Amino acid sequence: DGGITQSPKYLFRKEGQNVTLSCEQNLNHDAMYWYRQDPGQGLRLIYYSQIVNDFQKGDIAEGYSVSREKKESFPLTVTSAQKNPTAFYLCASSMNRPGVDEKLFFGSGTQLSVL
Amino acid sequence: QKEVEQDPGPLSVPEGAIVSLNCTYSNSAFQYFMWYRQYSRKGPELLMYTYSSGNKEDGRFTAQVDKSSKYISLFIRDSQPSDSATYLCAMSGGGKLVFGKGTKLTVNP
Repeated sequence: DGGITQSPKYLFRKEGQNVTLSCEQNLNHDAMYWYRQDPGQGLRLIYYSQIVNDFQKGDIAEGYSVSREKKESFPLTVTSAQKNPTAFYLCASSMNRPGVDEKLFFGSGTQLSVL
Repeated sequence: QKEVEQDPGPLSVPEGAIVSLNCTYSNSAFQYFMWYRQYSRKGPELLMYTYSSGNKEDGRFTAQVDKSSKYISLFIRDSQPSDSATYLCAMSGGGKLVFGKGTKLTVNP
């Protein structure tokens, strides 16, 4: 089945710890995205990537980092610099580049909480 | 003025009701308009996709876009308890993709 796989479903972070959220897609999409969802705040863009080895900051990139070494994979690292990391994180992909008629396909999300 | 405004609700209706969900926007560059449905603790799924103005129908769902008023709507006919979810509008164009904050809908049996 084609789709986007996020793991883990739940993740806990200790103070000062970096954690990495996994996102893999087999849709052969060029563009991939990371969004953060907080209650009542909708989706906020963290990072996006149009192509392998290239990525751009979104609206709330501070405290996060990404890599795009393979077309299929776009992992997100939540660093210790992100002081309020508790949120639901969504990975998405699209065939077209950001801002064009992209239809986003989302993964099932990762809930990150601070211990 | 926010680029996209969506009433967060919550909206509660009886089964079988017609539901109307709406978004307004301010950016004239938006050309593509989408509605996503998100069940609790799941990723959003694309429900409807429309280019420019007009109507699009898919089963019990109808999407309307009025670019002159910068207003989009999603209508759900004969609503079912399985339609209970959060509905997010989204718009793209001019190098941007922007989501509304979502409207939480509950359909009561």
